[in-house]
Amino acid sequence: EAAVTQSPRSKVAVTGGKVTLSCHQTNNHDYMYWYRQDTGHGLRLIHYSYVADSTEKGDIPDGYKASRPSQENFSLILELASLSQTAVYFCASSDWGNYAEQFFGPGTRLTVL
Amino acid sequence: LAKTTQPPSMEAYEGQEVNVSCSHTNIATSEYIYWYRQVPHQGPQFIIQGYKDYVVNEVASLFISADRKLSTLSLPWVSLRDAAVYYCIVGGSGSWQLIFGSGTQLTVMP
Repeated sequence: EAAVTQSPRSKVAVTGGKVTLSCHQTNNHDYMYWYRQDTGHGLRLIHYSYVADSTEKGDIPDGYKASRPSQENFSLILELASLSQTAVYFCASSDWGNYAEQFFGPGTRLTVL
Repeated sequence: LAKTTQPPSMEAYEGQEVNVSCSHTNIATSEYIYWYRQVPHQGPQFIIQGYKDYVVNEVASLFISADRKLSTLSLPWVSLRDAAVYYCIVGGSGSWQLIFGSGTQLTVMP
């Protein structure tokens, strides 16, 4: 039974449109993360959260917002989607005190046209 | 955070032992070494972590040189399912941030 799930698994969006990617975890973890991965490259951190109702910027936050309404849920919001945001987005969670052992979801493939 | 250097690709036959090396010449005393792997169309998966010497779990073993500047992930008896990109990451024990490089693409041949 998957502990980190993401929805949708794939999405096609239009330039300038709003996109919301959702993540749900059943690990009871405090930390949650959003990464993006471009083809042939490693993952880059966009936003993270260590407690509900609070989010922090990662390495590449521009053009993205995040929302953590509960411990289990973490959303990534693209208010004005752009072509450059075409990528695969991964959500992850980790336990307080063992941050580096992160559990990843299956990813969302986003294509912006 | 220390930078890591890995070979971009490796090949092995099923049943072989595979050793993936990682250089982290600027590793700080507070930093640990973590290994993840990513199969196509899935998120990365944690494999093992270590600070020094030798660590082993049910999936892999990790050898860390005495000066901690080099680590080697060892995968015994690889199968086709082990074909993946393997990432070596260095970070502090209290650091939540994982910096993924380009990793090592392992191809397993039948």
